[in-house]
Amino acid sequence: ELKVEQNPLFLSMQEGKNYTIYCNYSTTSDRLYWYRQDPGKSLESLFVLLSNGAVKQEGRLMASLDTKARLSTLHITAAVHDLSATYFCAVDHSGGGADGLTFGKGTHLIIQP
Amino acid sequence: EAQVTQNPRYLITVTGKKLTVTCSQNMNHEYMSWYRQDPGLGLRQIYYSMNVEVTDKGDVPEGYKVSRKEKRNFPLILESPSPNQTSLYFCASSGFVAGGVDEQFFGPGTRLTVL
Repeated sequence: ELKVEQNPLFLSMQEGKNYTIYCNYSTTSDRLYWYRQDPGKSLESLFVLLSNGAVKQEGRLMASLDTKARLSTLHITAAVHDLSATYFCAVDHSGGGADGLTFGKGTHLIIQP
Repeated sequence: EAQVTQNPRYLITVTGKKLTVTCSQNMNHEYMSWYRQDPGLGLRQIYYSMNVEVTDKGDVPEGYKVSRKEKRNFPLILESPSPNQTSLYFCASSGFVAGGVDEQFFGPGTRLTVL
């Protein structure tokens, strides 16, 4: 059974600081997704990482994937209040084919002025 | 506008009364999926479909049924709802990239309460 663990589950940080959210998974997969959810809202896709060593950046967010370590990171640079949200990673079950997805429990991020 | 729609958005029902939550997408996506979101448990996949007439179980399929007769629609059916199915439900769709699921577009959610 695929397990996906995010750390931390809750994070309060100040504006202007940098921080990293970690996503570990238990079985081989080379496909990982990051999503954002604002309170009371649906989920929005942030990044799709499709291979070992993949790195993607959008504004103050950067995601990377290390399939050998079974680890993805979501790095926040110089955080701003608008980035407050819950962030989820999700992993494809089959390691490359179109298949089921397992989500982490989410990281609830609060960025304070 | 590209979107995934779900209906109803809110539903309160009683144990045992069959219900259907509809999901429709206008992006010609092959892949569609249903999730439930519960506090402390995150999102869990119920069922997914890779194309018309192709469906498969996710992590928590018990008590649910789905069908995919048309590419754009993927209804979720609760034949005999129970209180433990009280949850927030999301439908999502995506195309494929490099042989696997691309970024998913999520519907607005359906909040279901079973009394």
